[in-house]
Amino acid sequence: ETGVTQTPRHLVMGMTNKKSLKCEQHLGHNAMYWYKQSAKKPLELMFVYNFKEQTENNSVPSRFSPECPNSSHLFLHLHTLQPEDSALYLCASSQGAENSPLHFGNGTRLTVT
Amino acid sequence: GQNIDQPTEMTATEGAIVQINCTYQTSGFNGLFWYQQHAGEAPTFLSYNVLDGLEEKGRFSSFLSRSKGYSYLLLKELQMKDSASYLCAAVDSNYQLIWGAGTKLIIKP
Repeated sequence: ETGVTQTPRHLVMGMTNKKSLKCEQHLGHNAMYWYKQSAKKPLELMFVYNFKEQTENNSVPSRFSPECPNSSHLFLHLHTLQPEDSALYLCASSQGAENSPLHFGNGTRLTVT
Repeated sequence: GQNIDQPTEMTATEGAIVQINCTYQTSGFNGLFWYQQHAGEAPTFLSYNVLDGLEEKGRFSSFLSRSKGYSYLLLKELQMKDSASYLCAAVDSNYQLIWGAGTKLIIKP
């Protein structure tokens, strides 16, 4: 039990579909993150939210759209994705201090066909 | 540019000791994290070092040398369940995490 829950675990979508990834944290943390993990590559930070406010967008294409309705929930809305967007998408939370460790969810394995 | 280097894959024997190295080049430095990630699972926090030296937590220890831009994770009395990827991440002057690509550790009986 990681304290951070992501759904769905697996998702296959076509390039014209619209889907959403959901993340929920039960740890009382203030900060939430979306990361992309591709095989044999470093984790790529996509978005950061602190107290529901987006504080970072790492030049992510507009086909990825985050939403943070409250400090416990985070969504990643997907539309018109490309095959190279296939990856593991990890959600994480932290207490927000600079040396606070991240608590990750198990991720959503996304395949774009 | 900022960079983290760690070996792609390592193999070790059950019951033995293995050291996973990580070298970093960052703009400023505010600490270094190690995470463990089993296949298909979430990365989980192992350690955080900001001062030079060795920190021990049971079978796992983490070492940092700031002057050399170097860290290692030491795993003792290896068990089959230690088969996983180990991720190194340095914190730069803007408190951004710079991640390595991970080291896949394979434990053989």
